[in-house]
Amino acid sequence: GENVEQHPSTLSVQEGDSAVIKCTYSDSASNYFPWYKQELGKGPQLIIDIRSNVGEKKDQRIAVTLNKTAKHFSLHITETQPEDSAVYFCAASGGGAGANNLFFGTGTRLTVIP
Amino acid sequence: EPEVTQTPSHQVTQMGQEVILRCVPISNHLYFYWYRQILGQKVEFLVSFYNNEISEKSEIFDDQFSVERPDGSNFTLKIRSTKLEDSAMYFCASSEDRGEQFFGPGTRLTVL
Repeated sequence: GENVEQHPSTLSVQEGDSAVIKCTYSDSASNYFPWYKQELGKGPQLIIDIRSNVGEKKDQRIAVTLNKTAKHFSLHITETQPEDSAVYFCAASGGGAGANNLFFGTGTRLTVIP
Repeated sequence: EPEVTQTPSHQVTQMGQEVILRCVPISNHLYFYWYRQILGQKVEFLVSFYNNEISEKSEIFDDQFSVERPDGSNFTLKIRSTKLEDSAMYFCASSEDRGEQFFGPGTRLTVL
């Protein structure tokens, strides 16, 4: 099955700086890569996703890049703000028969220091 | 904005008891999922459900677990005989197609 690795496990940045979180996946059939933000006591919230036919996607301060050859993808947050502090999870799915089951990374706790 | 809802928010039970966790997916979604997250660990896939049957299930989803869509709106996860290691946050999710999955707020299950 799919195995997703995520680094770093914790990340502290000064407000206004950029944050980068990296993930690798093992299954070359995976074709959908979402990123979720999880705040304390809440469920994961989708913040951005990318499909394997695209190399980069941007939404305001958030961008995701995908390298299919190397099987890794990254989340970039620019101009970080204190409200960006949360745990971020990457995930991958392969789109096989049936529904698209997500395989999550281990999470990155991002702290933005005001 | 439509959202996935889950009840209860917190369930405490004795080991060996049966629990039912309830979810109301987004109304026009066709795919339903259960995930769990043990404290401090990553979110793990349990089971997916489509067209009134299980599509896929993980190794975690053994004979103690079952899912049901009893009335066209609710989606339930039953654990027949809870174990201490079943203590976790359980998240329901739904999706319209093979894409974005929307998660509920979770049910914290504590097995004593």
